[in-house]
Amino acid sequence: QQQVKQSPQSLIVQKGGISIINCAYENTAFDYFPWYQQFPGKGPALLIAIRPDVSEKKEGRFTISFNKSAKQFSLHIMDSQPGDSATYFCAASKRGTDKLIFGTGTRLQVFP
Amino acid sequence: DTAVSQTPKYLVTQMGNDKSIKCEQNLGHDTMYWYKQDSKKFLKIMFSYNNKELIINETVPNRFSPKSPDKAHLNLHINSLELGDSAVYFCASSPRGLEGKFFGPGTRLTVL
Repeated sequence: QQQVKQSPQSLIVQKGGISIINCAYENTAFDYFPWYQQFPGKGPALLIAIRPDVSEKKEGRFTISFNKSAKQFSLHIMDSQPGDSATYFCAASKRGTDKLIFGTGTRLQVFP
Repeated sequence: DTAVSQTPKYLVTQMGNDKSIKCEQNLGHDTMYWYKQDSKKFLKIMFSYNNKELIINETVPNRFSPKSPDKAHLNLHINSLELGDSAVYFCASSPRGLEGKFFGPGTRLTVL
């Protein structure tokens, strides 16, 4: 049972374009939604995170959009750069459990 | 450098052997974790320890035994290795009360 569904599996974007990765979750008890970025041969690194009390959070070129009623959240990367090429994971957890459930990952390739 | 470190980075061994992976964090975090990333890059939590006490044990076979000698270290010992244990194992840590996880660089385990 995949509690956090992520799409697409892979994404190719031109430099300067917008990259959009989507996630959907089942458990309404989830209250923390982070995105992680993983480069080949490295561990995942926390990129940005959101809680359900806001619909959007922006940090530089990275924005999370959150739709509580639809149980969906997405990552938007504006002005995508070749250095953004990595695998991106959405995740979710519920308060007090400390158990992070990951999506299946999206491999992003940004071409110059 | 303040970080989560793991040794070894690569581990190649025969089926049936016993091996250990070591993890250390110098971030002063209270909670440490082991995650497994399979060949399809799916990340799943295995264990979490809070201040040397086991908090989460995610239906992991008994052949896997975590050991936390102190708050800064969480080692993973695996007995009777099987082919299906081949994966990348990540250690992570987080400060108390915060869900953001800091991941180590990973240990790629290959069982022949």
